[in-house]
Amino acid sequence: EPEVTQTPSHQVTQMGQEVILRCVPISNHLYFYWYRQILGQKVEFLVSFYNNEISEKSEIFDDQFSVERPDGSNFTLKIRSTKLEDSAMYFCASTRGAEGQPQHFGDGTRLSIL
Amino acid sequence: GESVGLHLPTLSVQEGDNSIINCAYSNSASDYFIWYKQESGKGPQFIIDIRSNMDKRQGQRVTVLLNKTVKHLSLQIAATQPGDSAVYFCAETGNTGKLIFGQGTTLQVKP
Repeated sequence: EPEVTQTPSHQVTQMGQEVILRCVPISNHLYFYWYRQILGQKVEFLVSFYNNEISEKSEIFDDQFSVERPDGSNFTLKIRSTKLEDSAMYFCASTRGAEGQPQHFGDGTRLSIL
Repeated sequence: GESVGLHLPTLSVQEGDNSIINCAYSNSASDYFIWYKQESGKGPQFIIDIRSNMDKRQGQRVTVLLNKTVKHLSLQIAATQPGDSAVYFCAETGNTGKLIFGQGTTLQVKP
């Protein structure tokens, strides 16, 4: 069964450094998402992406965040200058359609900011 | 505001019993609801979904009930097994596609 894959599984970075989290969505999916989950809390929406542009973003997704689909298979989340509060699990998800279709999630990247 | 919540943070059941996990949502415009299961160290795993034009949907050992009048969603798991132990999240979405998750209920299955 096709699945969403994310790399790395764990990223440790010094505060102020840039990080890039990578995702390979399911191949025939067209809509892509990033979510984050701070330890012990619920999953929060960050950004949605369709047709090579951002469809919607949350208040969390400020100027330090960016997303890119550099080729036909990868979808990346970049944080330019990381802060301590960026420490969380980051999940990528994809779906075939924007409405009425379940989003399928990867197993996440644990980002630890020191 | 938008919020989706679960009534109980933890539910403990005996193996073989049925489990019922509840969720209340606040956005009456939401038209699609999903239950996810999250095991330790993993991402949310799709269990079952339901559209707002339905009030019940059944899968293998799972049933989702939707009551739009009181904005309530529930997940029923029949004959709960140790492998069902996980955190369960309900999520809602409208026409924007983004998922709004609830806080999660931890299901503990006692052998």
